Amino acid sequence: DGGITQSPKYLFRKEGQNVTLSCEQNLNHDAMYWYRQDPGQGLRLIYYSQIVNDFQKGDIAEGYSVSREKKESFPLTVTSAQKNPTAFYLCASSRTTGRSSSEQYFGPGTRLTVT
Amino acid sequence: AQSVSQHNHHVILSEAASLELGCNYSYGGTVNLFWYVQYPGQHLQLLLKYFSGDPLVKGIKGFEAEFIKSKFSFNLRKPSVQWSDTAEYFCAVNDYKLSFGAGTTVTVRA
Repeated sequence: DGGITQSPKYLFRKEGQNVTLSCEQNLNHDAMYWYRQDPGQGLRLIYYSQIVNDFQKGDIAEGYSVSREKKESFPLTVTSAQKNPTAFYLCASSRTTGRSSSEQYFGPGTRLTVT
Repeated sequence: AQSVSQHNHHVILSEAASLELGCNYSYGGTVNLFWYVQYPGQHLQLLLKYFSGDPLVKGIKGFEAEFIKSKFSFNLRKPSVQWSDTAEYFCAVNDYKLSFGAGTTVTVRA
């Protein structure tokens, strides 16, 4: 069954700790994305990657970091520098990116709570 | 980057009522347009998309959307809603990256 998995579903951390969210896809998609979803703000792009070993900042990259060492994996680290990390984080992938981008497929999300 | 406006934050209606959700984006050129839906407790999933061709697009579950280039709009419609259409709906526009609207929560009363 093809799709995107994110783990864990719920994550709790103390302020000042870095935390890494996992995202894996078996759709053989080149492009992967991380979004943050907050009530009333829709989805905002944090980082995206068009190809292995390459990634680009999105609209709200400050306080986050990513890596893309394998095509199927795109982990997101929420660092202690992120001022307001509590949110719902969504990972997505697509066959292509840019102007001719195909549709994006989304994972189930990780709800991060930092106290 | 595109700015995407969804006109309604929360819509409440009864079963069998018609639904129309507005979506406008900020500037023209070649864009791909999407409506995504997030049912309670489920993944965000694609409802329908427009890349080119017929501006009236049919999607899943009886939804359709009309692309009006001159108005920079891509409104979503369903003639008769069901209780199971209760969800959050997101309009998204792609020129070089995908930009999402703030979302509209639709509550359908049985």
